[in-house]
Amino acid sequence: GDQVEQSPSALSLHEGTGSALRCNFTTTMRAVQWFRKNSRGSLINLFYLASGTKENGRLKSAFDSKERYSTLHIRDAQLEDSGTYFCAAAASSGSWQLIFGSGTQLTVMP
Amino acid sequence: NAGVIQTPRHKVTGKGQEATLWCEPISGHSAVFWYRQTIVQGLEFLTYFRNQAPIDDSGMPKERFSAQMPNQSHSTLKIQSTQPQDSAVYLCASSLNSNERLFFGHGTKLSVL
Repeated sequence: GDQVEQSPSALSLHEGTGSALRCNFTTTMRAVQWFRKNSRGSLINLFYLASGTKENGRLKSAFDSKERYSTLHIRDAQLEDSGTYFCAAAASSGSWQLIFGSGTQLTVMP
Repeated sequence: NAGVIQTPRHKVTGKGQEATLWCEPISGHSAVFWYRQTIVQGLEFLTYFRNQAPIDDSGMPKERFSAQMPNQSHSTLKIQSTQPQDSAVYLCASSLNSNERLFFGHGTKLSVL
């Protein structure tokens, strides 16, 4: 079954506002990565977390392996933040395969 | 650092033809991955190399797909007798090692007519 459940599938924000994306895992994961697919179709690595939280500018991510979830918070959204965001996780069994969420299509409106 | 380089960006083949996709990982990265992305299936793992050695190809369709990494600077994904269902964006990615951040190339969009 699906091991990574990402929500929401689509999100619209006005400039300057914020929200959070979430990935729930059906099994224990040892690390999570967040990516953004930009307008050119490239996957840009935003974060790698094995635990705790990381912050980069207006983005902040958290990962709780025990509770089996990760979040990506966006604050003060800008037009250029629009795109599709993916989480991807590696299982604790030592697998190096990343299992991707289905993505969140973010649209930032003026 | 040019990032992961994939060529060609687009490839169109006729049904039954062969397609070879190329990837140049980031210099110094020992882990190289191939993924396939479709609207229906999303991102799917295909195969993984570490220090040029094939570690796991469990995601590869067995009969027509093959991947090689003849040297540390490039990897190829070959699809023989392409079928319309092979149409997808094929993504190559590399990381310093398998437990580090993964960096993707732009992908090769394969269209099988």
